[in-house]
Amino acid sequence: DARVTQTPRDKVTEMGQEVTMRCQPILGHNTVFWYRQTMMQGLELLAYFRNRAPLDDSGMPKDRFSAEMPDATLATLKIQPSEPRDSAVYFCASGPDSLTGELFFGEGSRLTVL
Amino acid sequence: AQSVSQHNHHVILSEAASLELGCNYSYGGTVNLFWYVQYPGQHLQLLLKYFSGDPLVKGIKGFEAEFIKSKFSFNLRKPSVQWSDTAEYFCAVSGLSGSARQLTFGSGTQLTVLP
Repeated sequence: DARVTQTPRDKVTEMGQEVTMRCQPILGHNTVFWYRQTMMQGLELLAYFRNRAPLDDSGMPKDRFSAEMPDATLATLKIQPSEPRDSAVYFCASGPDSLTGELFFGEGSRLTVL
Repeated sequence: AQSVSQHNHHVILSEAASLELGCNYSYGGTVNLFWYVQYPGQHLQLLLKYFSGDPLVKGIKGFEAEFIKSKFSFNLRKPSVQWSDTAEYFCAVSGLSGSARQLTFGSGTQLTVLP
């Protein structure tokens, strides 16, 4: 059963530390999205890739966040330095490039920044 | 730019009651429409989707949604809810944006079903 895999599932860190979240998209999917979910803001699109190329990262705070796809099987979201307001659940989702927009979500990475 | 509005933030129903969750979208072109569900502590899962054809689409667990193009709406319905339907429901629209399809989510509706 193909699925999107995210690590870590839970991360507690202190303000100022670097945090890296990883995502393995479903094999064959060539669009990858990063979303952030909080109670206040709901689901926010941070960045998305198509064929490993970043297409839109306008939703991401550029000064501290960075997203990359070093290869087709790995997407990373890095926060440096982390702040308490970054506490959220970060979801990775992948989709086939069929222009339908259907996405398959990972279990999420719950980040707590103290 | 595309946007999605879900008017109900929190809906509380008793078991066996009927459900309708509103969703309106704003987009000038062709869209694909989705409802995703997020059970407590879990990730988002696809409930149903509309790409083309019959505007009344049926999804899993007895849910259905109707696409009304003239009203830019895609409301979710279920004739009789169960306690296990307690979850957050997200409407989403996919329209061509830039060089790739982008999925935009509404703010979500929390459904609580009382036993």
